[in-house]
Amino acid sequence: IAGITQAPTSQILAAGRRMTLRCTQDMRHNAMYWYRQDLGLGLRLIHYSNTAGTTGKGEVPDGYSVSRANTDDFPLTLASAVPSQTSVYFCASSEETSGGHEQFFGPGTRLTVL
Amino acid sequence: KNQVEQSPQSLIILEGKNCTLQCNYTVSPFSNLRWYKQDTGRGPVSLTIMTFSENTKSNGRYTATLDADTKQSSLHITASQLSDSASYICVVSPRGGNKLVFGAGTILRVKS
Repeated sequence: IAGITQAPTSQILAAGRRMTLRCTQDMRHNAMYWYRQDLGLGLRLIHYSNTAGTTGKGEVPDGYSVSRANTDDFPLTLASAVPSQTSVYFCASSEETSGGHEQFFGPGTRLTVL
Repeated sequence: KNQVEQSPQSLIILEGKNCTLQCNYTVSPFSNLRWYKQDTGRGPVSLTIMTFSENTKSNGRYTATLDADTKQSSLHITASQLSDSASYICVVSPRGGNKLVFGAGTILRVKS
């Protein structure tokens, strides 16, 4: 069982380019999340999905979009990357969105926007 | 505003020594508090979880405590090992909400 996988592991991107970060989970969890992690800051929620077909905005959604066409996949798209989006991105999933359920994290994608 | 503050920012200890990491939060009311361990280049992994009515939880050499009155939690690591070198993140879940509040983490380095 893989848990959560993310791709790519790392990427260097020119400003203005479009980029999609992929996330797949095999635990049949209803809820999925995208976070960014920056030095000195806690993980910040970008977007989330309570269940397939629904998405919601987190704390820092601007410049990012997501889709949830099925239970397993939750891609994150940067339509036109900017240097401030340089960060490490983590995808996570949980059985449900209530706080009592543990969130399981993927290995992360390190993105550098030049 | 819901916040989680952790101290110290970083810590270096010798292998075999004990250490205690601190977490202060303003999230109220809250449902539960977790400590996560994040190894370099990896995603966070849950170590312990405590509800608002619990005041201690152990996981091997890791013991978390919670004082809901003072809104403080600590993570005590006993007989540290080199593999304990990681970032330790305190995470609070607001009651009735689905968005966790993360601390910035404490970076622990265990030296031989």
